[in-house]
Amino acid sequence: AQTVTQSQPEMSVQEAETVTLSCTYDTSESNYYLFWYKQPPSRQMILVIRQEAYKQQNATENRFSVNFQKAAKSFSLKISDSQLGDTAMYFCAFMNGEETSGSRLTFGEGTQLTVNP
Amino acid sequence: ETGVTQSPTHLIKTRGQQVTLRCSSQSGHNTVSWYQQALGQGPQFIFQYYREEENGRGNFPPRFSGLQFPNYSSELNVNALELDDSALYLCASSWGLAGSYEQYFGPGTRLTVT
Repeated sequence: AQTVTQSQPEMSVQEAETVTLSCTYDTSESNYYLFWYKQPPSRQMILVIRQEAYKQQNATENRFSVNFQKAAKSFSLKISDSQLGDTAMYFCAFMNGEETSGSRLTFGEGTQLTVNP
Repeated sequence: ETGVTQSPTHLIKTRGQQVTLRCSSQSGHNTVSWYQQALGQGPQFIFQYYREEENGRGNFPPRFSGLQFPNYSSELNVNALELDDSALYLCASSWGLAGSYEQYFGPGTRLTVT
């Protein structure tokens, strides 16, 4: 079974600054995907960024980037130029890459990020 | 293109009752997954439906059951409600089972069991 751990329950950052959220995972699979989801107070889960385990290059989406360390099983999210709208709960999630396993997501406990003006 | 919708938004039930939650998947999506999110925690996978067949189940008792219809919308049924069933129930739809397909989440149904 896979596990995902987020060791920072809460974090805060000043607007326009950079913040990094941590995530570690445990799996014996070699083919998998990692995700960061954002859940604002509206409750709707929104995909922020995705990383395929077979890709060595770290994924980037505008102000969001990841540091994927496969050997260390670490998957951190960096948010640059933080904006007030980034305030939300952030979840790290794992998915087995084998289609026969289905596409279930295993989530971490979440990190509440607050961006202060 | 209509996104994933869920109904009802909020629901209050008494312990021992039964409840049905509904999810309309995004147009063209044939896969629906259900998650339970207790307050202050990450979502937990309940089960998944692919083309009307259950395709995987998490660590939930049999009183949690589901259904997927030919139009790929889905229902989550919970019998004999317990206080611990109080949670936000999320559904997510996607084009298929591969991880390369993005899962689109609905806004959730907040269930309170008293």
